[in-house]
Amino acid sequence: DAGVTQSPTHLIKTRGQQVTLRCSPKSGHDTVSWYQQALGQGPQFIFQYYEEEERQRGNFPDRFSGHQFPNYSSELNVNALLLGDSALYLCASRFSGLAGERNTGELFFGEGSRLTVL
Amino acid sequence: QKEVEQDPGPLSVPEGAIVSLNCTYSNSAFQYFMWYRQYSRKGPELLMYTYSSGNKEDGRFTAQVDKSSKYISLFIRDSQPSDSATYLCAMKEITGGGNKLTFGTGTQLKVEL
Repeated sequence: DAGVTQSPTHLIKTRGQQVTLRCSPKSGHDTVSWYQQALGQGPQFIFQYYEEEERQRGNFPDRFSGHQFPNYSSELNVNALLLGDSALYLCASRFSGLAGERNTGELFFGEGSRLTVL
Repeated sequence: QKEVEQDPGPLSVPEGAIVSLNCTYSNSAFQYFMWYRQYSRKGPELLMYTYSSGNKEDGRFTAQVDKSSKYISLFIRDSQPSDSATYLCAMKEITGGGNKLTFGTGTQLKVEL
């Protein structure tokens, strides 16, 4: 059973460029969220996708956008890259069918895409 | 002030020691409390989750939540070198059922032989 897979694992961009990161959720999962983890910090929530729509968004500018495909995979796009966008970008997935108290918030994370902006 | 505060460490203990990791929080709406372990250059993996207040035990790990004090703890008994990692506390509001977790900064733990 494949877990959450992300690509690419590492990439280097220059300021002003655009980047696309990709994520395939764990088998059976239908909701995907993205987190940014700067060095020495905990992950910060960017947004969540479910049924191909953005459902929740954290405190990130519009330069950060995403997409979810019918097969539940997802992309994270970042435009006009800044030096401060250098971070580990984590994708996490969950099965949405758990309601109420059974919605424990258990997320399965991928190993991340490490972005360096020069 | 951050919603979740966690001492970044590093924390160094001898093998076999009992480890205590802690987080405090300010948002009363948090209902789910989790501990994730993150090895270097890897994604976080869920260790424990607790709903509301109380204790939960799983093998060598015990999670405690005290909502009245807004304080959560993770205890690791008989610590092993393989426990060396960064431990992240995470919290979630029950409203909306979404995927937004609020994490602490993580505590770096090293268990030495």
